[in-house]
Amino acid sequence: DSGVTQTPKHLITATGQRVTLRCSPRSGDLSVYWYQQSLDQGLQFLIQYYNGEERAKGNILERFSAQQFPDLHSELNLSSLELGDSALYFCASSASGKNEAFFGQGTRLTVV
Amino acid sequence: AQTVTQSQPEMSVQEAETVTLSCTYDTSESDYYLFWYKQPPSRQMILVIRQEAYKQQNATENRFSVNFQKAAKSFSLKISDSQLGDAAMYFCAYDGGATNKLIFGTGTLLAVQP
Repeated sequence: DSGVTQTPKHLITATGQRVTLRCSPRSGDLSVYWYQQSLDQGLQFLIQYYNGEERAKGNILERFSAQQFPDLHSELNLSSLELGDSALYFCASSASGKNEAFFGQGTRLTVV
Repeated sequence: AQTVTQSQPEMSVQEAETVTLSCTYDTSESDYYLFWYKQPPSRQMILVIRQEAYKQQNATENRFSVNFQKAAKSFSLKISDSQLGDAAMYFCAYDGGATNKLIFGTGTLLAVQP
């Protein structure tokens, strides 16, 4: 158990819908990262938050957004969903000054 | 831009034998970190081993060790005394350090034969 909790584990939704994925980082970790794993794109970095502030952005679509709340949990919002958004979405966290990311179990999103 | 290449899509090893997974990367930075992550069928991403580029000594974690060649930009993972539980997808990852975002290779699927 990495200590990073993601909910839900599985999500099935229709095209055009909006979903929210939730992540609770390890206790004390200030950084949260979101990654997408798909068959055609592999593992890709989406976005990083550090103590509530956006720190870095990767290949994140404009239809996607994220935030980190004062209690350090984070949410990834995916809207106007398309079939191609079907993927495994990972959240990871790391401690300040530590270059070691620990991953949650992921949310499997299926868009039908 | 930094890239990570894993040229072995699949590998196979006999139980109790040793296997080496290859990884090369490209970067213009001098300070960075390299990782190997394991992804078993459960899909959980598990950190196996970590190497700081400024350290010449190769990292070791029990049966897992790396061969880090900074000049060649090579970072291979050696698994000794392979066990059935080692069967998984293995990802090599690069972290430039500034933002701590990871750049992953495409992975190597390791099968362990009993």
